[in-house]
Amino acid sequence: KQEVTQIPAALSVPEGENLVLNCSFTDSAIYNLQWFRQDPGKGLTSLLLIQSSQREQTSGRLNASLDKSSGRSTLYIAASQPGDSATYLCAVEGNTDKLIFGTGTRLQVFP
Amino acid sequence: DARVTQTPRHKVTEMGQEVTMRCQPILGHNTVFWYRQTMMQGLELLAYFRNRAPLDDSGMPKDRFSAEMPDATLATLKIQPSEPRDSAVYFCASGLVQGWDSPLHFGNGTRLTVT
Repeated sequence: KQEVTQIPAALSVPEGENLVLNCSFTDSAIYNLQWFRQDPGKGLTSLLLIQSSQREQTSGRLNASLDKSSGRSTLYIAASQPGDSATYLCAVEGNTDKLIFGTGTRLQVFP
Repeated sequence: DARVTQTPRHKVTEMGQEVTMRCQPILGHNTVFWYRQTMMQGLELLAYFRNRAPLDDSGMPKDRFSAEMPDATLATLKIQPSEPRDSAVYFCASGLVQGWDSPLHFGNGTRLTVT
C-alpha cells in the first residue's frame, strides 16, 4: 500500500529565504507526482506535475525534482514571499488512477 | 477560467439527517474524484468515476455513503444517516485520463458539520 510522507510538517521562515520541502513515498511504481498548494478554506491548486520519466519541473520560483528509485521528491521555493504562505501537499499517482496524498507542510513566510 | 464547482460551501446538520453534496466538474474532464479532508487523516479518497462509471468506492463506508454521476455535468455524494464523525471538508476534483500530463483540479470543498 502506497504511503506518502512529508517533512517538515510545519515551517516558519523570514521572507527571502530559499526553501526545500520534502516528500517521500514507499512504492516507486508511480505514473506521476504532483505538488499542490492549499490556502485556508480553499481547495487545492496544482503547482507542478512530474511524470515518472522526468527528473524535474520548474514554474517561476518553484522547482520540483523526482527521484523515483529512492521514492523522493523535493519542492524548492526560491526567494520566498509572504504570499507563499500556505499548506503544500504532494501526491503520487499509481496505476489505479488514485492520487495518494501526503499530510502536507504548513508554510508561513513572515515579512 | 474553468473550475470545479461544489455546493453547498457549508452544511450544518443534525445527526441522522441526510446530506447531499454536489459537484460540477470541468467540462471535458472524464475523471471525477471525491476526497474527504480532516485534521487527523488528511486527504482520503472516497470514490472516483471515469466516464461517469464508478471505478472505486472502497474508501467509502458503504452502509451510509453513496456516490453517483447522473450525467457528465453533475456528481453527487450522499450521506444517510449522517454521524458526527462525518464532519470534515469534502472535496470534488476532476481531471483527464490517468498517467497523462494533466493535473487534477479541485473545487473549494463542502465543509460539513454534523452535531
